[in-house]
Amino acid sequence: DTGVSQNPRHKITKRGQNVTFRCDPISEHNRLYWYRQTLGQGPEFLTYFQNEAQLEKSRLLSDRFSAERPKGSFSTLEIQRTEQGDSAMYLCASTWGVSGTSITDTQYFGPGTRLTVL
Amino acid sequence: KQEVTQIPAALSVPEGENLVLNCSFTDSAIYNLQWFRQDPGKGLTSLLLIQSSQREQTSGRLNASLDKSSGRSTLYIAASQPGDSATYLCAVNDLKFYFGSGTKLNVKP
Repeated sequence: DTGVSQNPRHKITKRGQNVTFRCDPISEHNRLYWYRQTLGQGPEFLTYFQNEAQLEKSRLLSDRFSAERPKGSFSTLEIQRTEQGDSAMYLCASTWGVSGTSITDTQYFGPGTRLTVL
Repeated sequence: KQEVTQIPAALSVPEGENLVLNCSFTDSAIYNLQWFRQDPGKGLTSLLLIQSSQREQTSGRLNASLDKSSGRSTLYIAASQPGDSATYLCAVNDLKFYFGSGTKLNVKP
């Protein structure tokens, strides 16, 4: 297994444009997480999926943000009408978790997608 | 809301020193705690995972301990090397994952 992959690695866009990021988790993992990280800070939780179900969303995830995980495999994170404050590193992580519980194994992170909004 | 604090924010040591990084959290009802390493501009690399029922975990020169009752974890790095230079982050699993801001470590040759 090659680990968690994310595409694109870098995205530069103009304010007001829509962007979409993709995350491919480790194949046997049933949980997938999205985080946002700004310079000098730790990652902030955005949302997570158990298989294809989105189970938790942070208040940081405004209505301009949407995430999907069709068929419980890869996931996409879309940001509509981007703002300069959306500039950050977007990280994806996957792990195995027991359904209905917070019991999880080690989280494995992808390399991230760095978004710059001009 | 869970709050995670890491002290110190930055640390510079000569090669060969043993060092301790600290992580504290406000709500002791956690399921596990994980330590990560992050190199500049890169993703996070998992170092150690401690389940709530465990007291410590070891991997090579790294040892992590967990004291849930006091809301603390420490990461001990033995015989530090320049290649250990990175930012070290801890994360607690409290239904969601909460991260500290990290300790930026510089090991000087």
